[in-house]
Parts: sequence; C-alpha cells; structure tokens
Amino acid sequence: EAQVTQNPRYLITVTGKKLTVTCSQNMNHEYMSWYRQDPGLGLRQIYYSMNVEVTDKGDVPEGYKVSRKEKRNFPLILESPSPNQTSLYFCATQTGVNTEAFFGQGTRLTVV
Amino acid sequence: GNSVTQMEGPVTLSEEAFLTINCTYTATGYPSLFWYVQYPGEGLQLLLKATKADDKGSNKGFEATYRKETTSFHLEKGSVQVSDSAVYFCALSDPYTGGGNKLTFGTGTQLKVEL
Repeated sequence: EAQVTQNPRYLITVTGKKLTVTCSQNMNHEYMSWYRQDPGLGLRQIYYSMNVEVTDKGDVPEGYKVSRKEKRNFPLILESPSPNQTSLYFCATQTGVNTEAFFGQGTRLTVV
Repeated sequence: GNSVTQMEGPVTLSEEAFLTINCTYTATGYPSLFWYVQYPGEGLQLLLKATKADDKGSNKGFEATYRKETTSFHLEKGSVQVSDSAVYFCALSDPYTGGGNKLTFGTGTQLKVEL
C-alpha cells in the first residue's frame, strides 16, 4: 500500500530540547515537503526537497532544518524548539511538477 | 505572491442539503487547482483537481470547475451526508514557484452535516 508515514503522531516537549520528526514514503516520489497547519492560517510550507541532497526553504523555514540523504526519508529537525512551533505538521510527497500531494497522517507537536 | 481565499466556516447543513464552498485564487501563470478533505485526526486527502481553465474535477459526488475569468474553483455537492463532515481545503500549485510543486492553501472550511 502506498504510504507516507510520519512518526511520532503526538509529541509534547520542552523549550530548547532538540527533536526530530521522521517522514518515510514508499512511493518512489522525488519531491517531498513539510507543512505546518495552524488555525486560521491553513497549511504553510516549511521546507521542500526536489531530490536527494537537494533541499530549499518554503514560506516559514525559521527554526527548522531538514535533510534528504535517501529518496524515501525526509526528517524535520527542530534544533531548539520554542512554543511558537506548537502546531500540526504534515509531510507530503509528489510525483512531479504541479501535481497532487500525498500527505502523511500528521504529527501534533506541543512545545511547553 | 499566490494566495487562496475560501469562505469562513463552520458551515452547518442538514443531511441532503446542497453544499457550496467558495474558493477564489490569485496566481501568476496557469496554476493547477485542488480540493483536499481532512477528516478528524487524519491527514489531507485529495478530493478532486483541475489542471486548466474550464476543467471540471469530480469525485464522490463533489464537483468544482476551474473558472479562469473569475479566478474561482467553488466546491459543490448536490446532497450532503453526515459522513461528509470534515474540513475542506482549496489549494493551488503554481509551476513557477517552489520548484513547481509548492501548494498554496486556503484557511480551510469546516463542514458539519446534521441529521
């Protein structure tokens, strides 16, 4: 079954404690991205990757890092989380330019 | 820059009522347009899409027509069911930004369907 898998689904952490949210896909898609969803703001792109070792900033990259060492994995790293990063995070994959996205189940992060 | 505007929610309807959720967009060039649905506790799922002007996307009784002259992509369904209760997002993909894959989303419209 084609899947985008995120872990963990829920996470509560404290300010400043580094964390990583993993994303893995089995669809062989080249394009992967991270979005955050906040009430009244919809989804906003954090980072994206067009292929292995190729990443770039989205609309709201501050406070986040990503890496793409393998095609199937695209982890999101928060080096020093702050309360304003409390949000619902989604990983997404796409087959190519201007195509529909396939989303993971989401990770609800709370930073206290 | 690109933007998507959709009607505020929540929208509450009785079962079998007609649904319209308005969506308008601003974009350079010729974007593709999408409607995604998010059920409680789940990720977003593609509901329908349209890639060029006058295209009509349809799925599960939902329809939306890409209207370039009015820059709109309104979602409609003739008879809603309780199982349609969810949050609906309008989105666009512009081939000239974000490597050609970035999705720009509206703020979402929550739909509640009651018996």
